[in-house]
Amino acid sequence: DVKVTQSSRYLVKRTGEKVFLECVQDMDHENMFWYRQDPGLGLRLIYFSYDVKMKEKGDIPEGYSVSREKKERFSLILESASTNQTSMYLCASTWGVLNEQFFGPGTRLTVL
Amino acid sequence: TQLLEQSPQFLSIQEGENLTVYCNSSSVFSSLQWYRQEPGEGPVLLVTVVTGGEVKKLKRLTFQFGDARKDSSLHITAAQPGDTGLYLCAGISRATSSNTGKLIFGQGTTLQVKP
Repeated sequence: DVKVTQSSRYLVKRTGEKVFLECVQDMDHENMFWYRQDPGLGLRLIYFSYDVKMKEKGDIPEGYSVSREKKERFSLILESASTNQTSMYLCASTWGVLNEQFFGPGTRLTVL
Repeated sequence: TQLLEQSPQFLSIQEGENLTVYCNSSSVFSSLQWYRQEPGEGPVLLVTVVTGGEVKKLKRLTFQFGDARKDSSLHITAAQPGDTGLYLCAGISRATSSNTGKLIFGQGTTLQVKP
């Protein structure tokens, strides 16, 4: 059974903390994505990666960075968490255009 | 910036009713996908439509891609409580030249089907 796993389902952090969200996929997919999901706004792309060590900014990259050192792992980093980064974060992977994106269960992050 | 507008944003109906969710854009898309997301889970793909005018059926769900590939609809016949969830349309832009699979998502339609 194909799987995308995320390191935490729920996370509570304080303003200014550095936050790491990790995503692992077991499908040997080339492409991986980080989205944030807010009510009424759908899924907004933060960053994506199409190969190891390769990354591209999505629509809302400000305040975030990413790391992809291994094909199966894609990390999202909040350098200095702020309250407006409180959200649901979803990781996804796929192997190409027209193909299904497989999503993890999400991490609900609260920044106090 | 390409946008996908979904309507309605929220729908609450009784079991057995029919409904249609719309996904519209002023831009042309190479293909369009529909996902369903249940609480506490990530979205799961329902269908991909590729050809203008294409109609696909998945049991009681009917998906249509507009002739001009700018819009799509999801029709559910005789809705069941198990259909409850968030429905998301997502398009692959014709402008995308790489094979990264980057999607543009609509805002989502929250469907509640009451028994």
